Amino acid sequence: AQKVTQAQTEISVVEKEDVTLDCVYETRDTTYYLFWYKQPPSGELVFLIRRNSFDEQNEISGRYSWNFQKSTSSFNFTITASQVVDSAVYFCALSEVGSGGYQKVTFGTGTKLQVIP
Amino acid sequence: DGGITQSPKYLFRKEGQNVTLSCEQNLNHDAMYWYRQDPGQGLRLIYYSQIVNDFQKGDIAEGYSVSREKKESFPLTVTSAQKNPTAFYLCASSGLRQETQYFGPGTRLLVL
Repeated sequence: AQKVTQAQTEISVVEKEDVTLDCVYETRDTTYYLFWYKQPPSGELVFLIRRNSFDEQNEISGRYSWNFQKSTSSFNFTITASQVVDSAVYFCALSEVGSGGYQKVTFGTGTKLQVIP
Repeated sequence: DGGITQSPKYLFRKEGQNVTLSCEQNLNHDAMYWYRQDPGQGLRLIYYSQIVNDFQKGDIAEGYSVSREKKESFPLTVTSAQKNPTAFYLCASSGLRQETQYFGPGTRLLVL
């Protein structure tokens, strides 16, 4: 069975600090996708990134970067020079093909990030 | 603008009452999903549908029902059999074959 672990329940940083959110996953499949979503206080989940299991290149998008390491089954997310607007709950998710052929997505329990001005 | 809409934003249910949450998408996605989120927890799948007039139970389907009469719409009914319905409900849609799921703004259901 697939599993996603976000061991950090809550993190507080002071504005402009860098912060890394950890994500460790378990799967038996060789083909899978990993995602990060942001959930601001309004509640809507905002898609940030999607990575397939064959692409281990790190990715950078502005202040955001992602480190995918299959050897350690991790897909960590770093925010550089954090800002108050980054305060949210961040979810890591793993997608596999379920028994019915549908896309089964397993979400971690989320990491609540608070950026203090 | 393409996107997913959910209504209402807040919904109050009385004991023994069935209530229906609306989800509409204009992204031309084939697949739609309903998730439940409880405080401090991740999302749990209630129902999903890959095609019109077909849907499947997720991990916590008991006490819920859905329909998929149109590609754009996937309403969720919380029945009186659901004894602990207070939660945040999120609808999502995606293309097929492990495409990214996009989410609506959610409906918060409270029990009076």
